[in-house]
Amino acid sequence: NAGVTQTPKFQVLKTGQSMTLQCAQDMNHNSMYWYRQDPGMGLRLIYYSASEGTTDKGEVPNGYNVSRLNKREFSLRLESAAPSQTSVYFCASRDRGSNQPQHFGDGTRLSIL
Amino acid sequence: LAKTTQPISMDSYEGQEVNITCSHNNIATNDYITWYQQFPSQGPRFIIQGYKTKVTNEVASLFIPADRKSSTLSLPRVSLSDTAVYYCLVGDTGFQKLVFGTGTRLLVSP
Repeated sequence: NAGVTQTPKFQVLKTGQSMTLQCAQDMNHNSMYWYRQDPGMGLRLIYYSASEGTTDKGEVPNGYNVSRLNKREFSLRLESAAPSQTSVYFCASRDRGSNQPQHFGDGTRLSIL
Repeated sequence: LAKTTQPISMDSYEGQEVNITCSHNNIATNDYITWYQQFPSQGPRFIIQGYKTKVTNEVASLFIPADRKSSTLSLPRVSLSDTAVYYCLVGDTGFQKLVFGTGTRLLVSP
């Protein structure tokens, strides 16, 4: 029952460093998502992938890139990390269908100094 | 995307029923209403989803009036472990873009 797995769980970066957050799901879901959650706030959508081979911007895409490597994996890259990107990052996946809920991983806690 | 409004926080005691209401005045015809629960240091977890009237599962009930401009999540006989943040979301049939608000922080005390 792995569900959605995110790696790493914690990471500290220096300003300007690059980093790729990994996400994999074993539920054969079509859609995958990346969110960020700042302290005391709700989740904000960064990018999503409706299906393998497609990606689209969400609410806060600036400073990030994504890759839908295959149906299972969806990675999030910070090319030049900034302190404003300190946050908890959540990956989610969702099955095809009009009312299927999203399934979330447990997050990556990222601190940028 | 329909915006939702929820109370910022609620307090309750073990064994009580808790009702959290969400307003979504601009809900579209094809939108479903979904509730998620989030514990500290964890990702959100799906609780319940509905389109109209009443939906019940093993953990909660969801009441949706005929105009669908609001919905109420009902948690029967809460326990300490129900302390969490609860999010109400509305989304289209594709559900490709969900907007999470700040949620309702429920604190259950002994």
